[in-house]
Amino acid sequence: DAGVIQSPRHEVTEMGQEVTLRCKPISGHDYLFWYRQTMMRGLELLIYFNNNVPIDDSGMPEDRFSAKMPNASFSTLKIQPSEPRDSAVYFCASSDSPVRYEQYFGPGTRLTVT
Amino acid sequence: GENVEQHPSTLSVQEGDSAVIKCTYSDSASNYFPWYKQELGKRPQLIIDIRSNVGEKKDQRIAVTLNKTAKHFSLHITETQPEDSAVYFCAAKAAGNKLTFGGGTRVLVKP
Repeated sequence: DAGVIQSPRHEVTEMGQEVTLRCKPISGHDYLFWYRQTMMRGLELLIYFNNNVPIDDSGMPEDRFSAKMPNASFSTLKIQPSEPRDSAVYFCASSDSPVRYEQYFGPGTRLTVT
Repeated sequence: GENVEQHPSTLSVQEGDSAVIKCTYSDSASNYFPWYKQELGKRPQLIIDIRSNVGEKKDQRIAVTLNKTAKHFSLHITETQPEDSAVYFCAAKAAGNKLTFGGGTRVLVKP
C-alpha cells in the first residue's frame, strides 16, 4: 500500500487566495483526520471524518476553513481567503476502525501564505 | 476536553544512555496512548502505543509505561543511538476517535 497520499507537498500563495489541500487515505481506512502543525501551537486536530461523514470539526479555526470528503478515497481541506497566519504544515492521517486506533500520517503539505 | 502535557521539551543525552519522556493527561476516560517520532521535515510515525488495560509494553529498545491512577505515561528509550534524534510526541485518546497530542520533546543524542 502506498500509504496516505497528500498533494501538493508544497504550496506558496498570496494572502487572499484560495488554497485547496488534497488527501487520499489508505485503502480500507474509514477514519480520516486533518491536522495542522506549527511551532507555536504544535500538532492540532482540525476535523475528522468517519465513513465520509464529518464527526468533529471543533478544531477548525474559523469559517475560512472548510473540509469535505466526497468519497472514501478523497478529502479536501480548503482555506478561503488565506492569511499569513495559516502558514503551517497540514497533515492528513487515516485509521481503519474504532477498535484499531493507530493513525497513519501522510507526508504533509507545507503551506506558505505571503 | 482532553489536555496532554509533555516534559521535557528538549532532552540531550549521550549515545548509549537512556532517555525518558513523561506525559500527563486530564481525561480519566482516555484509553489509548500512542507515541510518535518525527524526524526533521518528515511525517509523525507511530513507534509504540499502549492501551489502558496494560501497564507496560516493550519493543526492543523502547518501552512505554502507564499509570492510570496518576494519569501519566512515559516513554523509555534505552541504549540511545544517533538515529534516535528526533521530536517525540505523546498523545491520548478519550471520547470518539480523536487524539490530543502533547507539545513534543526534541531529543538529541550526542555521539
